[in-house]
Amino acid sequence: AQSVTQLDSQVPVFEEAPVELRCNYSSSVSVYLFWYVQYPNQGLQLLLKYLSGSTLVKGINGFEAEFNKSQTSFHLRKPSVHISDTAEYFCAVTTEEGGSEKLVFGKGTKLTVNP
Amino acid sequence: NAGVMQNPRHLVRRRGQEARLRCSPMKGHSHVYWYRQLPEEGLKFMVYLQKENIIDESGMPKERFSAEFPKEGPSILRIQQVVRGDSAAYFCASSPRQAIEAFFGQGTRLTVV
Repeated sequence: AQSVTQLDSQVPVFEEAPVELRCNYSSSVSVYLFWYVQYPNQGLQLLLKYLSGSTLVKGINGFEAEFNKSQTSFHLRKPSVHISDTAEYFCAVTTEEGGSEKLVFGKGTKLTVNP
Repeated sequence: NAGVMQNPRHLVRRRGQEARLRCSPMKGHSHVYWYRQLPEEGLKFMVYLQKENIIDESGMPKERFSAEFPKEGPSILRIQQVVRGDSAAYFCASSPRQAIEAFFGQGTRLTVV
């Protein structure tokens, strides 16, 4: 079964520091990959997605992610974080298990940006 | 174009009561997905519906849970005889065609007391 592993449940960083949130997925077949952000008591907002083409994907709020097929990874990066980036981040991948296309999510990484 | 609208945002039910969660998809979207987020967990797929049809309910618990998406009106996720373990955030997403184009609502946070 398709699965997504987010290696760090919590990541504390200082403001203006770089950050990398790690994501690995299990399937070796073609997949689509996503990163979502969830602010407290809010819904999910799409940060970026990889469907095809360039393996480096740029998203909103200065985030980017790199698709690495050989390592089945899709790590999220930002060169300089702000206090406002404090949120929970979810990596997701598509699957067709069960008969239709749907998203499988990781357990999330809580990013805390400290002053 | 309003986003995906879910209501209520917060719902408190006593054990044994029924919970009804509503989802109005974005205009022009005929595909609806329901996901559940348990505390400290990611979102887990429950059910995928198109107008008047359940396409995939492979993530739905076999008992007490049901979903519908009528020709007119919002999609409804219904939980009968709620138990404490049903306490979670329930998210709806809608898309015009495929899951990869889905937009999420703000969720309904169900608390069973």
